[in-house]
Amino acid sequence: DAKTTQPPSMDCAEGRAANLPCNHSTISGNEYVYWYRQIHSQGPQYIIHGLKNNETNEMASLIITEDRKSSTLILPHATLRDTAVYYCIVRVAYNAGNMLTFGGGTRLMVKP
Amino acid sequence: DTAVSQTPKYLVTQMGNDKSIKCEQNLGHDTMYWYKQDSKKFLKIMFSYNNKELIINETVPNRFSPKSPDKAHLNLHINSLELGDSAVYFCASSRDGTADTQYFGPGTRLTVL
Repeated sequence: DAKTTQPPSMDCAEGRAANLPCNHSTISGNEYVYWYRQIHSQGPQYIIHGLKNNETNEMASLIITEDRKSSTLILPHATLRDTAVYYCIVRVAYNAGNMLTFGGGTRLMVKP
Repeated sequence: DTAVSQTPKYLVTQMGNDKSIKCEQNLGHDTMYWYKQDSKKFLKIMFSYNNKELIINETVPNRFSPKSPDKAHLNLHINSLELGDSAVYFCASSRDGTADTQYFGPGTRLTVL
């Protein structure tokens, strides 16, 4: 699976959009971009995933650049409860064991 | 209802002991996983298991073994515990071995003294 690079930490004001970047310059054509988050002392939580088109669900939007070498997770109206570590994961759709490989993630702090 | 549950939440034990962590999912999923999160907060996959096969991360010592009494349970057995085994262990499940979404349990904090 391709390696990802994320900033270690970011701040965001409550109510504003949080834009979390992820670089995955070695991504291959059959690899998806997944986002999970981990709120303090809880298990990781799936947010969204995509291949090349932009995706949106009730939690967030995922914007993938045309060359697919980077992506941005957008939380449109961040709340204090969105404070968490956000993980960008790149992997093929069906790897042996369906395993996820987590990197260091971005620690997002939403401030009042 | 909790989708993926783990017991115990905290486990403190001595080096050399054998211990187990239980995991149950009520989602009807076919595939379950164990992850380890160390003190530096890195999450690493340990096992992936469904009723057909067990996939083991090659870095996992053979002191660790998953046991599945039925499809809803995947317990983690650890023999001869070492100090380095101290970590938070997360169980997860997915619909099948190719599903996009994995659902994680709340974690078990293991401390080896």
